[in-house]
Amino acid sequence: QPVLTQSSSASASLGSSVKLTCTLNSRHSTYIIAWHQQQPGKAPRYLMKLEGSGSYNRGSGVPDRFSGSSSGADRYLTISNLQSEDEADYYCETWDINTRLFGGGTKLTVL
Amino acid sequence: DVLLVESGGGLVQPGGSLRLSCVASGFTFRSYEMSWVRQAPGKGLEWVSYISSSGSTIYYADSVKGRFTISRDNAKNSLYLQMNSLRAEDTALYYCARVADAGHIDHWGQGTLVTVSS
Repeated sequence: QPVLTQSSSASASLGSSVKLTCTLNSRHSTYIIAWHQQQPGKAPRYLMKLEGSGSYNRGSGVPDRFSGSSSGADRYLTISNLQSEDEADYYCETWDINTRLFGGGTKLTVL
Repeated sequence: DVLLVESGGGLVQPGGSLRLSCVASGFTFRSYEMSWVRQAPGKGLEWVSYISSSGSTIYYADSVKGRFTISRDNAKNSLYLQMNSLRAEDTALYYCARVADAGHIDHWGQGTLVTVSS
């Protein structure tokens, strides 16, 4: 089954940009993923679907400050013009025929 | 707007049972696959179970297989999770989630808390 690896933490300054990474294991390097945001004390929120080609589709109401890209087995979430409300945990998700996986999550701190 | 509202959580002793419910609105429930995802306190997201739109195809995580049963009632726009033989490690917030046509989760409920403790 696929495996997703995320860095445990990241930080960036207010108004700057940050790029979060989710890495698929090599056998599943072409898989589509989704990114989800979880603000403190809240339920997760779907951000976007991201393909291996780099094509992405944001969810309804997701600001265009959030974008996606891909390189090989790596899937990226870039957040531009960081706002205080972007401080959250970010999870990547993928799925197979009979299972669904989440990465361990990246805790983003906005300085 | 899509809305998923879970209920049924609570405190239960080890070995006990609980039935979670999720009522959906704002979309054609019978047309969508659904999943349950849980999050233990201070931990990440863990997929629990999946059910197809008709209910004919069901999958479970190994950690709950044989103890949990997912089901749905399309006439009532409702998703269920019957949890038996509960263990301390089942303590978590349980989220109901809609699965998009492309396969990813695209909407989440607000969650219901299950605490397994004596």
